[in-house]
Amino acid sequence: DAMVIQNPRYQVTQFGKPVTLSCSQTLNHNVMYWYQQKSSQAPKLLFHYYDKDFNNEADTPDNFQSRRPNTSFCFLDIRSPGLGDAAMYLCATSSGYYEQYFGPGTRLTVT
Amino acid sequence: AQTVTQSQPEMSVQEAETVTLSCTYDTSESDYYLFWYKQPPSRQMILVIRQEAYKQQNATENRFSVNFQKAAKSFSLKISDSQLGDAAMYFCASGGGADGLTFGKGTHLIIQP
Repeated sequence: DAMVIQNPRYQVTQFGKPVTLSCSQTLNHNVMYWYQQKSSQAPKLLFHYYDKDFNNEADTPDNFQSRRPNTSFCFLDIRSPGLGDAAMYLCATSSGYYEQYFGPGTRLTVT
Repeated sequence: AQTVTQSQPEMSVQEAETVTLSCTYDTSESDYYLFWYKQPPSRQMILVIRQEAYKQQNATENRFSVNFQKAAKSFSLKISDSQLGDAAMYFCASGGGADGLTFGKGTHLIIQP
């Protein structure tokens, strides 16, 4: 049973063209996270929501925004993608305790 | 701030043998968790094992166990009876509560048949 779902799995966008990545969860977890993982690197936290409270990491570029309209869904918006934003974007959820559950990721290509 | 260091970019082990992956961490938190995650090629990140820092007993999950040395800030993963399906990138991570995880750079584990 899918618990953390990410759509699309692969996304190609043009330089400077806004793009939105989607994440949904069936775990009813309070916390949702977005990580960026570049090739052969560790995932890096961009931001997270605790319920409706948004928590941005200090070094996350302003180009990255997020929305959480309800408990189940969270979106990552990249306003003007650059070539350096090509990466795997991982969504994760947590109850606020213990471990995080990850989705399969969306691989973003910027042309 | 938290840091996690994995000093072994790649490890190789014969099938059915035992391998240990190293991890050290630093944190100012008094209450935290440590994790090992597995990321197979082109597949999603899954939890291998979790350790609560306040627990002295080392966590075990079937063939996977940890050696948690709190004073030394060391958290190694031992995989016994290695199987071909264990081949993956292994990430050590620290975190607590609702905060995001801080990951190490990962260790690429190769299983030799």
